[in-house]
Amino acid sequence: KNQVEQSPQSLIILEGKNCTLQCNYTVSPFSNLRWYKQDTGRGPVSLTIMTFSENTKSNGRYTATLDADTKQSSLHITASQLSDSASYICVVSYSGAGSYQLTFGKGTKLSVIP
Amino acid sequence: NAGVTQTPKFRVLKTGQSMTLLCAQDMNHEYMYWYRQDPGMGLRLIHYSVGEGTTAKGEVPDGYNVSRLKKQNFLLGLESAAPSQTSVYFCASSYSGTGGYEQYFGPGTRLTVT
Repeated sequence: KNQVEQSPQSLIILEGKNCTLQCNYTVSPFSNLRWYKQDTGRGPVSLTIMTFSENTKSNGRYTATLDADTKQSSLHITASQLSDSASYICVVSYSGAGSYQLTFGKGTKLSVIP
Repeated sequence: NAGVTQTPKFRVLKTGQSMTLLCAQDMNHEYMYWYRQDPGMGLRLIHYSVGEGTTAKGEVPDGYNVSRLKKQNFLLGLESAAPSQTSVYFCASSYSGTGGYEQYFGPGTRLTVT
């Protein structure tokens, strides 16, 4: 069964600090991996999309890494800001029949405090 | 350019009542999706559409029907609402379902069935 596991479930950090969120997946065959940011009461917004051939991808202070061999990804947030408080969702795309099928992780809830 | 919009934002139904959620996108996307998001779970695909006049079942289609009469609109119907359908519903759209095309999400509809 295709699964996406994220850790930790929740995280509290001080403003200005860095943090790393983890994502492990069992989706196969794999097409691409996405990280979304979801603010409370809003829809998810895409941060990065990586194919199996990409090891790292950045979007401002957000850097995602991917190890397709170990089926692990991480999202690193640098110099956190209060506006980074949100849920971060790892999403893996299945490349078999119906490759538009996405498997969503449950998300990591990040709280940045002053 | 409004992106993806959803109507209504909130709704309370009694068991057995029916309703229709409307999703509209102005990006000329072919693919549209309906998801539900429940506490402690990842987003789950209810139904999707690969183009005007076509629909298909996702992971959790029971109790829902959809229609895509116009390319820009995707309707989700609940014929006889049940408390288990209490959830936050998100609509999304994408240019294509294959490859790394980004899915754009609407703001969500919070539905409570009593």
